[in-house]
Amino acid sequence: GAGVSQSPSNKVTEKGKDVELRCDPISGHTALYWYRQSLGQGLEFLIYFQGNSAPDKSGLPSDRFSAERTGGSVSTLTIQRTQQEDSAVYLCASRPAGGYEQYFGPGTRLTVT
Amino acid sequence: GDSVTQMEGPVTLSEEAFLTINCTYTATGYPSLFWYVQYPGEGLQLLLKATKADDKGSNKGFEATYRKETTSFHLEKGSVQVSDSAVYFCALLNTGTASKLTFGTGTRLQVTL
Repeated sequence: GAGVSQSPSNKVTEKGKDVELRCDPISGHTALYWYRQSLGQGLEFLIYFQGNSAPDKSGLPSDRFSAERTGGSVSTLTIQRTQQEDSAVYLCASRPAGGYEQYFGPGTRLTVT
Repeated sequence: GDSVTQMEGPVTLSEEAFLTINCTYTATGYPSLFWYVQYPGEGLQLLLKATKADDKGSNKGFEATYRKETTSFHLEKGSVQVSDSAVYFCALLNTGTASKLTFGTGTRLQVTL
């Protein structure tokens, strides 16, 4: 079946602009995660959605970052007023109920100029 | 808080050499442990996992044993191939606190002929 998909695959934006990154999880997976992979910081957890529960936002680096998950499926990560330090690969992962494995998408490479 | 420490790379080996990538962790409770691999230009893939002490995870000739007494989960392979060239990430999942993965910084492996 289809894996986790993310769009766009690459995004170049100017400093100060807002960007939206999209994640389509594997159908039926109840948990959805966003991570960020950047040079010098490694892989960092950003936010976690589990079913209808309130999301765990403990990894969001600032209030410029927000995410939503509509209908328990697709998720959008929004970065407002982008800064150069936001340049990174943003990874989405989903996990089935009761499972351990997180299935990762190919990522969105964000470059802020 | 939870943390994962893995050996710095890059690790450069000749084909058919023995591979060890060290990984140690700090966590409360009883985490599950994982190795993920990222091949050039691709997303993260689960390589192997172990969910309790003394479990051995194995896949594609790679092995790792969950050692609670030394809080370690070292990755080994008896004979590496050029196709194993990738970045390897050790990670833990502590379901006692949250379901997010905590990653090590990654170790780049380069295998040459």
